Amino acid sequence: DTGVSQDPRHKITKRGQNVTFRCDPISEHNRLYWYRQTLGQGPEFLTYFQNEAQLEKSRLLSDRFSAERPKGSFSTLEIQRTEQGDSAMYLCASSLPGGMNEQYFGPGTRLTVT
Amino acid sequence: KQEVTQIPAALSVPEGENLVLNCSFTDSAIYNLQWFRQDPGKGLTSLLLIQSSQREQTSGRLNASLDKSSGRSTLYIAASQPGDSATYLCAVDMRFGAGTRLTVKP
Repeated sequence: DTGVSQDPRHKITKRGQNVTFRCDPISEHNRLYWYRQTLGQGPEFLTYFQNEAQLEKSRLLSDRFSAERPKGSFSTLEIQRTEQGDSAMYLCASSLPGGMNEQYFGPGTRLTVT
Repeated sequence: KQEVTQIPAALSVPEGENLVLNCSFTDSAIYNLQWFRQDPGKGLTSLLLIQSSQREQTSGRLNASLDKSSGRSTLYIAASQPGDSATYLCAVDMRFGAGTRLTVKP
């Protein structure tokens, strides 16, 4: 499978715990994006990378959220001290460089904070 | 800040009807507009990408148009089928609307 992959697909955690999600983009795609989606809403932009550089970060991404893409390939999204409001689907997408290229999405990681 | 709005929020039609979904945006300085389909509990599937210099794109029964000056895009679905039932999302660069939930009844 050469599409965008995400791991894990589901995560249940207790409030206050830290969680980390991984995204593997399509191999030739330099850009990688993270979004968060809650029920009945469209995805909300969180951040994006070109290669290893984090080029934009939403104000939605509080200090408890951090994303990395250390070698310009896979990326991780970490949430520290999770809260119930963090429960959502976390989506990753990738594209070729430049603002005019199609984004391809992974299946998402569903986070439930109890 | 770019705001993206989709109308209607939900739409139910009988099989075979042609239909139009609407997307509006507030900032005309865009790179591209992309239409997606999302089935319940699943990720997003790309349907059509319109780059800022283009006016429309077509794929099979789908046709999407873009009018940057008025901040509008439409997705036209011809001869709808029950398998078209899903949520349709419009994305302007990295900003999404809330989607239109489409139900096509047999």
